[in-house]
Amino acid sequence: DTAVSQTPKYLVTQMGNDKSIKCEQNLGHDTMYWYKQDSKKFLKIMFSYNNKELIINETVPNRFSPKSPDKAHLNLHINSLELGDSAVYFCASSQGAGGGKNIQYFGAGTRLSVL
Amino acid sequence: GEDVEQSLFLSVREGDSSVINCTYTDSSSTYLYWYKQEPGAGLQLLTYIFSNMDMKQDQRLTVLLNKKDKHLSLRIADTQTGDSAIYFCAERWGRDDKIIFGKGTRLHILP
Repeated sequence: DTAVSQTPKYLVTQMGNDKSIKCEQNLGHDTMYWYKQDSKKFLKIMFSYNNKELIINETVPNRFSPKSPDKAHLNLHINSLELGDSAVYFCASSQGAGGGKNIQYFGAGTRLSVL
Repeated sequence: GEDVEQSLFLSVREGDSSVINCTYTDSSSTYLYWYKQEPGAGLQLLTYIFSNMDMKQDQRLTVLLNKKDKHLSLRIADTQTGDSAIYFCAERWGRDDKIIFGKGTRLHILP
């Protein structure tokens, strides 16, 4: 039983296309995140949702739009893909953003390659 | 600003101890973490320490926290080939409660 699962694992697409990555967690957590890891393995937070509400929105292009239909799901839609969007995108979840340890559990990642 | 610094590479002989160092910026950080990333996988929490502690030991892992210098270290005793991975230091950024990750230290095990 995978705790945080994201699909697809690999995504290869042409520049200019629109694509979505899905994430689901079965841990009963309230908070979910999207991170981007570049080719040098640097990890940067993009978005965070707590109980379907956006709480962290870093300086990410408007082409990236997260959507949380319920607290167990956080999807990432990317419009007009660019070469620089090529990276590994990680979804994560934690019990809550306020108080406590805020230990984050990560999915296995989606490797996006834009050609 | 938000910045967690760690060296990018470390090579250690099998059986020796590995020490990975990290400095962080937010003196109000409540929790500090070490995550491990194996090739092709997501990050996995190894251990964490609360800011009112200065040491935490968990089997082969020892975490030392120097709050005055904002310095965190992870010691892995008796390093094994399975310890080969990227290790990320992270702090819980007090102001808006997000986790800031360092750039990761790639641990390479020499035979």
